[in-house]
Order: sequence, then structure tokens, then C-alpha cells
Amino acid sequence: EAQVTQNPRYLITVTGKKLTVTCSQNMNHEYMSWYRQDPGLGLRQIYYSMNVEVTDKGDVPEGYKVSRKEKRNFPLILESPSPNQTSLYFCASRRDRLGYGYTFGSGTRLTVV
Amino acid sequence: AQTVTQSQPEMSVQEAETVTLSCTYDTSESDYYLFWYKQPPSRQMILVIRQEAYKQQNATENRFSVNFQKAAKSFSLKISDSQLGDAAMYFCAYRSPLEYGNKLVFGAGTILRVKS
Repeated sequence: EAQVTQNPRYLITVTGKKLTVTCSQNMNHEYMSWYRQDPGLGLRQIYYSMNVEVTDKGDVPEGYKVSRKEKRNFPLILESPSPNQTSLYFCASRRDRLGYGYTFGSGTRLTVV
Repeated sequence: AQTVTQSQPEMSVQEAETVTLSCTYDTSESDYYLFWYKQPPSRQMILVIRQEAYKQQNATENRFSVNFQKAAKSFSLKISDSQLGDAAMYFCAYRSPLEYGNKLVFGAGTILRVKS
């Protein structure tokens, strides 16, 4: 089944403790992206990647890092999480820059205390 | 930068009735894509319908249809014969084919409640 797999689904952590949210897709998509969803703000792009080793900032990149060492994986790294990063996170992929449809992961609910 | 506005934080509809969710957007581009996504309690983002700006004909997918008014920059979603399974958060989204990151710009969302 074609899908984007995110893990974990839920995560509670403490301020300052480094964490990684994993994202993997099995569709050989070139384009991958991370979004965060907050009440009243919708989804906002954090980082995106056009292909292996090509990443760039979205609208809200502060406090996040990403890497794209393999085509299928695009982890989101929070080096020193803070409470304002408490949010619902989505990974999404698309075939390529011209591709039409996005496939979203099932989301990661992160709480930073 | 493009913006998307959904002015209805919540809407309610009786089962089997019709409801329309509003969306307006701001852009200076002439070519773009518009989407409606559904997010049920499972949190999954489900594409409901999409519209290419160069197409004058309004998109339709079964009980879902849009009213695309390009000059007014309006993109409303009509759900006919509402069902309990339609209850969800609905997001309107915009995508520019020119912007390098090709991101989706989302509205704040509208919660749709369906009453039995």
C-alpha cells in the first residue's frame, strides 16, 4: 500500500530533550515536506526537500532541523524542544515538483512540557 | 505571499441537508491550484476535491462540489446530502506552481458538525 509512515503517533517530552520524528514513504517520491498544525492557524510548512541532499526552509523553520540522506526518509529533528513546539506534525510527499497530489502521514501529536 | 481565509470556524448541518463552507484567498498569480482537505478525528488528511485556476468549470466529486469564482478569489465547498461521516475539520488550501517550495498554504479550517 502506498503510504507515508510517521512515528511516533504521540510523544510527550520535556523541554530541551532532543527528539526525532521519523517519516518514510514507499512511493519513490522526490518531494517531501513537514507541516505543523496549530488551532486557528491551519497547517504551516516547516521544511521541505526537493530530492536527496536538497532541503530548504519553509515558513516556520526555527527550532527544527531535517535531513534527506535517502529518498524515502525525511526525519524532523528538534534539537532542544520548547513548549511552543507543542503541536500536531504532518509529513507529506509528492511525486515531484510538478506532481499534483500530496500524500500525508497520519500525524504526530507532540507535547513539550 | 498568498493567504487563505476560512471565515467560519464552525458549521452545523442536519443529516441529508446541504452545507456550504467558505474560502477566500489572496494572490496576484493567474495560475494556481486550490484544494479542499478533510481531517476526521483520526487526523488523516484526505483530499476531497481540487480545482485548477485555468479551468472555468467547477470541480465535482460525488456529493462534493465547489463554486470557484476566480475574479472574487472565492472557492467554496458544497456538501450535498450530508452524512454523519462528513463530520470533520475541513481545510481550504492554495498552491502556486511557481513558488519553488511548492508548499500548500492552508486556511485555519472549519469544523463541520453533522446532526442526526
